[in-house]
Amino acid sequence: AQRVTQPEKLLSVFKGAPVELKCNYSYSGSPELFWYVQYSRQRLQLLLRHISRESIKGFTADLNKGETSFHLKKPFAQEEDSAMYYCAPNVYGNNRLAFGKGNQVVVIP
Amino acid sequence: SQTIHQWPATLVQPVGSPLSLECTVEGTSNPNLYWYRQAAGRGLQLLFYSVGIGQISSEVPQNLSASRPQDRQFILSSKKLLLSDSGFYLCAWSERLDRGNTEAFFGQGTRLTVV
Repeated sequence: AQRVTQPEKLLSVFKGAPVELKCNYSYSGSPELFWYVQYSRQRLQLLLRHISRESIKGFTADLNKGETSFHLKKPFAQEEDSAMYYCAPNVYGNNRLAFGKGNQVVVIP
Repeated sequence: SQTIHQWPATLVQPVGSPLSLECTVEGTSNPNLYWYRQAAGRGLQLLFYSVGIGQISSEVPQNLSASRPQDRQFILSSKKLLLSDSGFYLCAWSERLDRGNTEAFFGQGTRLTVV
């Protein structure tokens, strides 16, 4: 079955510590992977996409096709990174857009 | 530019009452439209999606239904609400995903409390 897994629901890290959010997918073909973020009292929005290979707000994510993973990383967490993060795959030819269960990140000052 | 409107922002309804949440998109045509429910511990659950007028794909059999009477209008409904229908409902749109590399844009959400 097609599915994306985000194993840790809640992640608490101290400010300045590294943060890594894990995302594993099981989709046939070559999905495009996205990370979305929802800050408190804001709309859910795109954070970054793997095809862009860019760093957004210090976050990066590498698509590892061998491990079918798309982990989100930031070397030094900031308080403003406290938010809910969702991993989402898009499969070419498929209009269904499903998300992982999400990770709640709390950055402790 | 494109915008998405979702209303109402909050809603308190008694058990057994009907429900109608509306979502409209401006500035684009033939968008994909989505309804999600966001619940603590359950993440973002896809409920329905639509690729065109009158075309609805249902993800989870439950007490809800969706309709798309116009190209940029997506409605989430229920004939009789259950307590378990309480939650935060999100509408989203995107360009056609089957062309690849397309992000989704979300509405502000509706907090539904069934009492």
